[in-house]
Amino acid sequence: DAKTTQPNSMESNEEEPVHLPCNHSTISGTDYIHWYRQLPSQGPEYVIHGLTSNVNNRMASLAIAEDRKSSTLILHRATLRDAAVYYCIPGGGADGLTFGKGTHLIIQP
Amino acid sequence: GAGVSQSPSNKVTEKGKDVELRCDPISGHTALYWYRQSLGQGLEFLIYFQGNSAPDKSGLPSDRFSAERTGGSVSTLTIQRTQQEDSAVYLCASSALGTGGSYEQYFGPGTRLTVT
Repeated sequence: DAKTTQPNSMESNEEEPVHLPCNHSTISGTDYIHWYRQLPSQGPEYVIHGLTSNVNNRMASLAIAEDRKSSTLILHRATLRDAAVYYCIPGGGADGLTFGKGTHLIIQP
Repeated sequence: GAGVSQSPSNKVTEKGKDVELRCDPISGHTALYWYRQSLGQGLEFLIYFQGNSAPDKSGLPSDRFSAERTGGSVSTLTIQRTQQEDSAVYLCASSALGTGGSYEQYFGPGTRLTVT
């Protein structure tokens, strides 16, 4: 599995954009880049995934570096409900996910 | 539609007893996964079922852990002779092939297991 590096924690203000970085320099050419988040006392929740191109969905955007060694999850307008631990997970399509420690996102009102 | 459900939501057991944890995946999802999360720790992959293929058991921590999936739907995770270090939240997820060739995993609420 590719090793990932994420900040332990980040803080942002409500209604401002948030950029969550992830380094995955050992990612293989066929690995997808998945992002999941875990709200307090809940199971993880899928956020977004991509392979090479940038991706947008209703929750977030994913910007993938051209060399695929890093990616950034973008929350365009953070709300208090976005406070969670965010996990960047490179991996194959259907394999079990290898969760690291993730980034604890704190949203200030 | 209905999401992934797990039962029981909480289970307290004595050291040395066997426990069974149940997972009902989303209808039609071919893949099913078990993970566990110990207090203050990250999520740890345990086992993965895909259709009728042999399961990927690479994450099971010991031979006291086993899982089965009957009829390609409901799954049971069994822990024999429980130890205190087995105390954790056990999470089940299911998925189906989604857009772009990857699988989005949908997680259940988990079973909190406490071994006393």
